[in-house]
Order: sequence, then structure tokens, then C-alpha cells
Amino acid sequence: EAQVTQNPRYLITVTGKKLTVTCSQNMNHEYMSWYRQDPGLGLRQIYYSMNVEVTDKGDVPEGYKVSRKEKRNFPLILESPSPNQTSLYFCASSPGGRETQYFGPGTRLLVL
Amino acid sequence: SQQGEEDPQALSIQEGENATMNCSYKTSINNLQWYRQNSGRGLVHLILIRSNEREKHSGRLRVTLDTSKKSSSLLITASRAADTASYFCATGSSGSARQLTFGSGTQLTVLP
Repeated sequence: EAQVTQNPRYLITVTGKKLTVTCSQNMNHEYMSWYRQDPGLGLRQIYYSMNVEVTDKGDVPEGYKVSRKEKRNFPLILESPSPNQTSLYFCASSPGGRETQYFGPGTRLLVL
Repeated sequence: SQQGEEDPQALSIQEGENATMNCSYKTSINNLQWYRQNSGRGLVHLILIRSNEREKHSGRLRVTLDTSKKSSSLLITASRAADTASYFCATGSSGSARQLTFGSGTQLTVLP
């Protein structure tokens, strides 16, 4: 089954404790992206990757890092999480940056 | 930065009625897409319409695009309680193949 998976689905952490949210897709898509969703703000893009070893900032990259060492994986790293990073996070993949995007189920993060 | 703006922000209708949601955007586009999100879950792609198309159908969905007015509408006919969800438009810029830009969404409630 074609899908995008994210782990963990739910995470509670404390300020400053490094965390990684994994994302994996099995559709051989070149493009992958991370979004955060906050009430009233819609989806805002954090980082995206056009291909392996090619990443770029989206609209709200501060406080986040990503890497793309393999085509199927695109982890999101929060080196020192802060409460304002409490949000619902989505990973997505696509054949191209402005084509149909396939979303993962989301990761709900609470930073205390 | 948000490109698409949906209108209305919230819509409540009776089962069997039609639901119309609108999306306005600011810059030239390559395509416009509509997505659906059930509460707290990942977005699901509904339909993509390219800039040289004016209307597209998929089942009970009808999308129109007016590039001169920079606007699109999504019509859901004969709505069902299961259509209750948030609906987002997303635009793929004609100037960049790098990303989609999402609006803040319309919350549709279909009352049984």
C-alpha cells in the first residue's frame, strides 16, 4: 500500500530535550516536505527536499533541522524544543513540489 | 506565506444540500488543488485543476477556476454527514516548482 508513515504519532517532551520525528514514504517520490499546523494558521511549510541531499527552508524553518540521506526518509529534528513548537506536524511526499502531495497521519507534539 | 484564502471560514448545512467553498489567491499559478482533512488527521488530496482548465469534476465534487479573478470554488453536491471535515485549497506557483502554499481552510459541518 502506498503510504507516508510518521513516528511517533504523539509526543510529550520538555524544553531543550532534543527529539527526532521520522518520516518515510514507499512511493519513490523525489519531493518530501514538513508542515506544521496550528489553529487558525492553516499549514505552514517548515522544510522541503527536492531530492536526496537537497533540502531547503520553507516558511517557518527556525528551530528545526532536516536531512535527506535516503530517498524514502526525511526526518525532522528539533535540537532544542521550545513551547512555541507545540503543534501538529505533517510529513508529505510528492512526485514534484507543486504536484499532488501525499500526507502522513501527523505527529502531535507537546513541549512543556 | 499564505497564498490561498478560503471563504467562508466555517459552513454548516443540512444533509442533502450542496456546499460551496471559495478560494482566492494572489500570484500566478500552475495549478490549484483541494484537500480534505478529517479532524486531526492527515490531508487527503481531492482534485487538482491546472491553470489552463476552467472546470473539473470528480464524483460529487466540482471545481472551477477563474484565473482572471484569481479564484476557485469547490462544490460538493448532495452532501452527507461523512463530508464533515476541513477543506483546504493549495496553489502551485507558476514561478517556482518548489512548493505548494496552503490556505487556512473552511470547516464544513453537514448535519444529519
